[in-house]
Amino acid sequence: QSALTQPASVSGSPGQSITISCTGTSSDVGGYNYVSWYQQHPGKAPKLMIYDVSNRPSGVSDRFSGSKSGNTASLTISGLQAEDEADYYCSSYSSSSTLFGGGTKLTVL
Amino acid sequence: EVQLLESGGGLVQPGGSLRLSCAASGFTLRSYAMRWVRQAPGKGLEWVSAISDSGAGRYYADSVKGRFTISRDNSKNTLYLQMNSLRVEDTAVYYCAKVGITGTTWRGGLDVWGQGTTVTVSS
Repeated sequence: QSALTQPASVSGSPGQSITISCTGTSSDVGGYNYVSWYQQHPGKAPKLMIYDVSNRPSGVSDRFSGSKSGNTASLTISGLQAEDEADYYCSSYSSSSTLFGGGTKLTVL
Repeated sequence: EVQLLESGGGLVQPGGSLRLSCAASGFTLRSYAMRWVRQAPGKGLEWVSAISDSGAGRYYADSVKGRFTISRDNSKNTLYLQMNSLRVEDTAVYYCAKVGITGTTWRGGLDVWGQGTTVTVSS
């Protein structure tokens, strides 16, 4: 049960777009369309932003979008806003378990 | 309002036991699979355990297998995590979370999270 690989940090200026990658294997990210993305602000519980690769829960801004190619999933945030600054985690189903990525700290410059 | 409220955390010595509870409100617990996820201080999220909506399917991370037991009482709208043989490395905030779609254990993401309960394992 190895963790998925995410960049430790990404940054962008307000109004710009950024993409966070999440790399796994054919046994997890590449094998199933069960990738989710979570946003976590300091001291708070995680919040679901994307589920099943590209679906947005009700109430999540359409500035957030998800995609997948092969063994790598991606979260794109367009029109960056100050409140997007947070930690982001991907997760994927894998063999009757759930894997999380190590997390990516997004800094809005 | 859909809510999850964890309780039962605390300070325990290595080798000890704790039972976490997660009270659900605003939705029918028996319709959804559930998860426990933990976060060690300053670290990322780690999946701990999952249980199907009926309770028939129970799954564990390798790090807790044989020591932790997940269960649910749908009549009480409550999820549990029995933690035995606790280790220092089990120190973390423990979150319960609800799967976002009915009829599945693994799809749909985790759409509702509790505020977390802190478990500290130390002598």
